[in-house]
Amino acid sequence: EVQLLESGGGLVQPGGSLRLSCAASGFTFSSYAMSWVRQAPGKGLEWVSGITDSGVTSFYADSVKGRFTMSRDNSKNILYLQINSLRGDDTAIYFCAKGQHMGLGSTWGSWGQGTRVTVSS
Amino acid sequence: AIQMTQSPSSLSASVGDRVTITCRASQSISDDLGWFQQLPGKAPKLLISSSSRLQTGVPSRFSGSGSGTDFTLTINGLQPDDFATYYCLQDYIFPHTFGQGTRLQIK
Repeated sequence: EVQLLESGGGLVQPGGSLRLSCAASGFTFSSYAMSWVRQAPGKGLEWVSGITDSGVTSFYADSVKGRFTMSRDNSKNILYLQINSLRGDDTAIYFCAKGQHMGLGSTWGSWGQGTRVTVSS
Repeated sequence: AIQMTQSPSSLSASVGDRVTITCRASQSISDDLGWFQQLPGKAPKLLISSSSRLQTGVPSRFSGSGSGTDFTLTINGLQPDDFATYYCLQDYIFPHTFGQGTRLQIK
C-alpha cells in the first residue's frame, strides 16, 4: 500500500525558512515523479512543484520560483521541499503526491495527508 | 502557465440528481486532464485521469469526457458521499495547474 507521510510544518516568522519532508513507502520510490501541492485556508488547490524520478529536474509554479527548492533522496525514500523567504500567502497545508505512472507525464495518483505551514509574526 | 477555468464554483443538488462540472483550458492540453474529489479536511482523491479514465474503485456514476480545451465531469445519480469539492488539473505541461474548484452542496 502506498503511504506518503509529510512532516516539517509549523509556525514560522515572515522571512524565515522551513524544510518539509515526505517519507514514502509501499512502492519503488525511485521510479516515480513526485509533486507538492498546497492549499491555503479556505482556498483551492495550488500545484507548487514537481520533480522527476531521478531528481535531476524539478519544476515550479511561478508563485514560488526562486524561493522553493524541491529535492529527493532515493536512497532514503524521502522527498523534500525547502521553502525560503516565507510570506503570509505561503500559509497552507502542503501535500506531497506520487505520479500515477512511472516516469514523467502523468497526473498525481496518491496523496499524503499534508503538513500545515503557518507564516505569522 | 496554462489557465484552467472551472465552472460552476458552487452547485446545489439533491441525492439522485445528475450534475455536470466543466473545465476549460487556455490552450489545448490534449486529454491530459484529471479530476479530483476533496472531502473537508481530507487529501484530494484522484477520480479520473486522462480525461475519461475512471480510477480503480471509483463508482461508475462518475464519468469524464473532453479533449483539447473543453472537459466535463458528470456524476449520475448523486449519492450522499458525493457532496464534496471537485477540482480539475491539467498535467499536459509544467507547471501543472488546477481549476478553481466546484463545491457541490446538498440542496
